[in-house]
Amino acid sequence: DVKVTQSSRYLVKRTGEKVFLECVQDMDHENMFWYRQDPGLGLRLIYFSYDVKMKEKGDIPEGYSVSREKKERFSLILESASTNQTSMYLCASSLITIGTGKNTGELFFGEGSRLTVL
Amino acid sequence: ELKVEQNPLFLSMQEGKNYTIYCNYSTTSDRLYWYRQDPGKSLESLFVLLSNGAVKQEGRLMASLDTKARLSTLHITAAVHDLSATYFCAVDMREWNAGNMLTFGGGTRLMVKP
Repeated sequence: DVKVTQSSRYLVKRTGEKVFLECVQDMDHENMFWYRQDPGLGLRLIYFSYDVKMKEKGDIPEGYSVSREKKERFSLILESASTNQTSMYLCASSLITIGTGKNTGELFFGEGSRLTVL
Repeated sequence: ELKVEQNPLFLSMQEGKNYTIYCNYSTTSDRLYWYRQDPGKSLESLFVLLSNGAVKQEGRLMASLDTKARLSTLHITAAVHDLSATYFCAVDMREWNAGNMLTFGGGTRLMVKP
């Protein structure tokens, strides 16, 4: 089974702190994603990565950055946390789809990290 | 703008009843996904629909895709309490070199009452 592991299930941070959310997948997936989930807003894509050291902005990248130094690990960084970044953060991974015809593009999600910024 | 709209957003139903959740999306796609989320948990994949007319069934849930109408349905047959959860549809609508970026609907929170 694909396993996507997020390092922290619950975090409480103060405004202005730097926050690192870590995500590791064990299935050699090329693609990795960070979403945030808020009541009434569904899931919104923050950043994604399709290869080591490659990253692309999603729909709401402001206030966030990411790092992918190894294929299995994708980190989300909040440089200076603010209260409006209080949310559930979900990491996901998937196999590359274009040109392969071998997989479905299905995302596999981690358990989530609930961040509270005071 | 890419939009994926689900309705209803909230559904309370009695055990044994049937109901359908709808997922509409705003632009061309032939890849649609349904996920389930239990409270406090992450998303679990239910169905992957990869072509027009695709139909998948698992237990009391059946999903279908009409790409011409830009519509997917998730039909619940003879609901049971264990189906209580939030259901999300997600559509792969963006062209991206490496493939799939999903846009999610807002979710349908389903409560099945005894």
